[in-house]
Amino acid sequence: AQKITQTQPGMFVQEKEAVTLDCTYDTSDQSYGLFWYKQPSSGEMIFLIYQGSYDEQNATEGRYSLNFQKARKSANLVISASQLGDSAMYFCAMREGGGSNYKLTFGKGTLLTVNP
Amino acid sequence: DSGVTQTPKHLITATGQRVTLRCSPRSGDLSVYWYQQSLDQGLQFLIQYYNGEERAKGNILERFSAQQFPDLHSELNLSSLELGDSALYFCASSPRLSGQNTGELFFGEGSRLTVL
Repeated sequence: AQKITQTQPGMFVQEKEAVTLDCTYDTSDQSYGLFWYKQPSSGEMIFLIYQGSYDEQNATEGRYSLNFQKARKSANLVISASQLGDSAMYFCAMREGGGSNYKLTFGKGTLLTVNP
Repeated sequence: DSGVTQTPKHLITATGQRVTLRCSPRSGDLSVYWYQQSLDQGLQFLIQYYNGEERAKGNILERFSAQQFPDLHSELNLSSLELGDSALYFCASSPRLSGQNTGELFFGEGSRLTVL
């Protein structure tokens, strides 16, 4: 079974509008972390935002916010006021394990296109 | 700049050949991870090392091997290459998970391997 599911292979949004990218996860751990990374066409992986499983507040970083619904096991990324430079692949990832024994499992990604 | 250095950036080789990808982690990071990203795929976890020790293995083929050296740099060896091994190979590093570290992975720019 997939641990991270991103059901939207592609999304389109108009410049200056908000967009939500979906992510659901599956784990039996109590302590875990959720991440979103951006991969522009140039290929590098850029960290955007992090949410810990015990964090009660939704994480925010500038125009990015993470809508964390623990009971539903979802961690959707919300990008407000989209910009042309937001066009990229977006990956949701989950950290399991702790100390020096952890790894990130990634979803298949959502390709976001921002239209002018 | 994440501080993670990968070489070479691009590599073109023929089927049946062997290549070595090199990674230098961020200063102070003891963990090194290798991921494979094939066309239109998410990131597939291959293997993790911590301070020279193998800690976790993902779907790494037997034709592939890795090691982490005493100076903490890591190498991923790919042998008997097949067309399907063409991919972007990422190295990432991270510090030990603690109250101040979320487990974020810091990625290199990747090594793009093309097998002809």
